[in-house]
Amino acid sequence: NAGVMQNPRHLVRRRGQEARLRCSPMKGHSHVYWYRQLPEEGLKFMVYLQKENIIDESGMPKERFSAEFPKEGPSILRIQQVVRGDSAAYFCASSGPRSTEAFFGQGTRLTVV
Amino acid sequence: GIQVEQSPPDLILQEGANSTLRCNFSDSVNNLQWFHQNPWGQLINLFYIPSGTKQNGRLSATTVATERYSLLYISSSQTTDSGVYFCAVINTGTASKLTFGTGTRLQVTL
Repeated sequence: NAGVMQNPRHLVRRRGQEARLRCSPMKGHSHVYWYRQLPEEGLKFMVYLQKENIIDESGMPKERFSAEFPKEGPSILRIQQVVRGDSAAYFCASSGPRSTEAFFGQGTRLTVV
Repeated sequence: GIQVEQSPPDLILQEGANSTLRCNFSDSVNNLQWFHQNPWGQLINLFYIPSGTKQNGRLSATTVATERYSLLYISSSQTTDSGVYFCAVINTGTASKLTFGTGTRLQVTL
């Protein structure tokens, strides 16, 4: 009974590189959400996706960030040309068709050096 | 957008003590969840409780949606209860995104 799976758990990137974060939702879940947590802060919503559709991206920075949830495979959060301020924990959550209860993965901790 | 406030911000307890954590929100909600973020950063679901009362072992929660607050009770606290407790809500009429409170940082000492 696998939960929400995120990989990698830790990611180190140099400034200017690209970061790709992956998320596989729980079995039977078709709604995926990405959240960002800065040190000593709460989680902030970034984007909500269903298969092949972006439902709400009101929390996504306007540049360098993109997300997708293709018909096959995991959801991907992509950060291009990373900067030090992108260093944070990125959490993915999923929920099913009949409930808004969200379940979270273990997060990816991105460090930009 | 909806505002979610948690109190107290920090709490230190001796093992065995009881505590109550509070979550106030500024608008109507159709989802409220309590999470425990452990010292390793993992988010653990505690309760899905848009209204009413639930209990799970030493933990229980009550949400009074009409008065816009929720309470999390921890009884007979243990050192493994340490971490940050977050309340998160979905504002009625929004597209399922959770808005998190600022959290209560709990430290349980021997």
